[in-house]
Amino acid sequence: GQNIDQPTEMTATEGAIVQINCTYQTSGFNGLFWYQQHAGEAPTFLSYNVLDGLEEKGRFSSFLSRSKGYSYLLLKELQMKDSASYLCAVRFREGGSQGNLIFGKGTKLSVKP
Amino acid sequence: GAVVSQHPSRVICKSGTSVKIECRSLDFQATTMFWYRQFPKQSLMLMATSNEGSKATYEQGVEKDKFLINHASLTLSTLTVTSAHPEDSSFYICSARATGVFNYGYTFGSGTRLTVV
Repeated sequence: GQNIDQPTEMTATEGAIVQINCTYQTSGFNGLFWYQQHAGEAPTFLSYNVLDGLEEKGRFSSFLSRSKGYSYLLLKELQMKDSASYLCAVRFREGGSQGNLIFGKGTKLSVKP
Repeated sequence: GAVVSQHPSRVICKSGTSVKIECRSLDFQATTMFWYRQFPKQSLMLMATSNEGSKATYEQGVEKDKFLINHASLTLSTLTVTSAHPEDSSFYICSARATGVFNYGYTFGSGTRLTVV
């Protein structure tokens, strides 16, 4: 199977920095996405990594190491509105790929005052 | 930017009836659409992938005769839950992938909360 693992829950303080990790099986890897999802809403795109390294976009950064099957999402200057679930999703290359995304179970982040 | 419209946002139906959910790409052509289901506190589980003009590809364990998918045009895909049962109650989300777009080509609809009573 294609397992994608991330912590179930995390708590952090407003203004702080938090790192959410994601590990996946490396076979057939073809890109990794991070999404934010508020309860009862659809996921919204945060970042995309396909090559090793760090992608920075404002307060959010995402890192990828393909050899280790590892990624993290870094959130800086946390705000209360950042309380949400963060989903790691991997696209695996499957012959004639239609580009299915396989999602992790999500990490529920709670930001406290 | 790419927008995907999904309707209805909420629906309550009686056991045994059928419900149709529509997913439209408003400003781009979607050659591929994905249908996901999400149970409470769980992640998105891919149900099926549909390509315009061809039959959908269903994931293992998803009954194709129960979850009918039609992708008749480049801007519209529908999911029909037939003979709905209470265990089908879930959050259904579609995602559309634009033609020729690779890196950021996945746009999600706003989801449909289905409750079967």
